[in-house]
Order: sequence, then structure tokens, then C-alpha cells
Amino acid sequence: AQKITQTQPGMFVQEKEAVTLDCTYDTSDQSYGLFWYKQPSSGEMIFLIYQGSYDEQNATEGRYSLNFQKARKSANLVISASQLGDSAMYFCAMRKGSYGKLTFGQGTILTVHP
Amino acid sequence: DARVTQTPRHKVTEMGQEVTMRCQPILGHNTVFWYRQTMMQGLELLAYFRNRAPLDDSGMPKDRFSAEMPDATLATLKIQPSEPRDSAVYFCASGLVTGGADTQYFGPGTRLTVL
Repeated sequence: AQKITQTQPGMFVQEKEAVTLDCTYDTSDQSYGLFWYKQPSSGEMIFLIYQGSYDEQNATEGRYSLNFQKARKSANLVISASQLGDSAMYFCAMRKGSYGKLTFGQGTILTVHP
Repeated sequence: DARVTQTPRHKVTEMGQEVTMRCQPILGHNTVFWYRQTMMQGLELLAYFRNRAPLDDSGMPKDRFSAEMPDATLATLKIQPSEPRDSAVYFCASGLVTGGADTQYFGPGTRLTVL
């Protein structure tokens, strides 16, 4: 069974600073995908970034990058130059194989201070 | 700007009533997922369709929940009869599986309150 662990219930960061949100996973599968979603107070789930288990380079999407360390089974999200609008709940998720259901972590609440 | 749409956005009902939630996946997507979010359980999968065929509904209470895709543009999740413990946010997500991996895009959710 797959398991996703987000050990930081809450994180604080100053505006314009970078922040790292931790995510570790547990799986015996060789093929899997890792995702990060943002859930602002409005409740929607916004896709941020994806990393495949066979991807050799870390994924990047604008200010978001995924620090993928396969041997350590970690997939941390790095947000550079934080903005007030980044304040939200962030979920890490994993999928077995190339398609199928996502297994989510418990989430990290990020608060960006001006 | 293609998006997953869900109706209704909010639903308040009384215990025992039937509830139907609808989802319109992104045009051209061939996978549809129903997730439920609660404070206690977090986000969990209820049902999963690919090319309209149900592939996984192991997370769904079969005695009261049912999920269908009458056509490629509509997915429904029905609860009959509803119970207070069904109060949650229900998300629909869609994706496109081709040769590679898909990404799931979520709708805005239906916030259900069962009194």
C-alpha cells in the first residue's frame, strides 16, 4: 500500500522568501507519479507540479520546483519568492503507475507574512 | 480555459434524503475520479472511471452510494439515503490517459451538509 507523509502541519514564511514543504512517500512500486496540489481558502484544488518516478530531472513550473530524492523517497515542494497569494493548504499526492487514483498526504498549511 | 464543473456547489439536506451530485469533465478527458474530503479522513477516493467504465469503487460505501457516467460529458454521484456522516466536500477530477501519464484536474467541489 502507498503512504504519503507530510510532517509539517503548518509553515510560515516571509513574503519574497523561499519555502520548502516536505513530503515523504512509501511504495514498493518502481513506476509512480508524485503531485502537489494547492487548496486555498476557497476550497478548490489546484494542480501545481508533477514528477514521474523515472524522470531524472527535478520538475519545475514557474516558481514551483519539486526536489525529488528517489533514494530517500522524498518529494519536497520548493516555492521561490513567496507571495501573499501562496497562503493555502498544500497537498502532496502519489499515484501508482501512470494513471489511476491519487493517495494524498494530510496537507501543510502555508502562511505567507508581509 | 477548460475546467471541470460540478453542480451543485453547496447542498444542505436532511438525513434520509437522496442527494445527486453532477460533474462535467474537461472535454476530451477519458478518466473521471470522485474524491471525498473530510477533516478526519482527508482526501480519499470514492470511484474512478476510465472511458466511462468503472475501474475502482472500493472506497465507496456500496449500500448507499452509486457512481455512474451516463455519457462522456457527465458523471454522477448519488447518495441514497444520506446520513450526517456523509457531510463532506465531494470533488470530481478528470484526466487524459494517452501513451504517458495523466494529470488530474479537480473541479470546485460540492460541499454537502446532511442534517
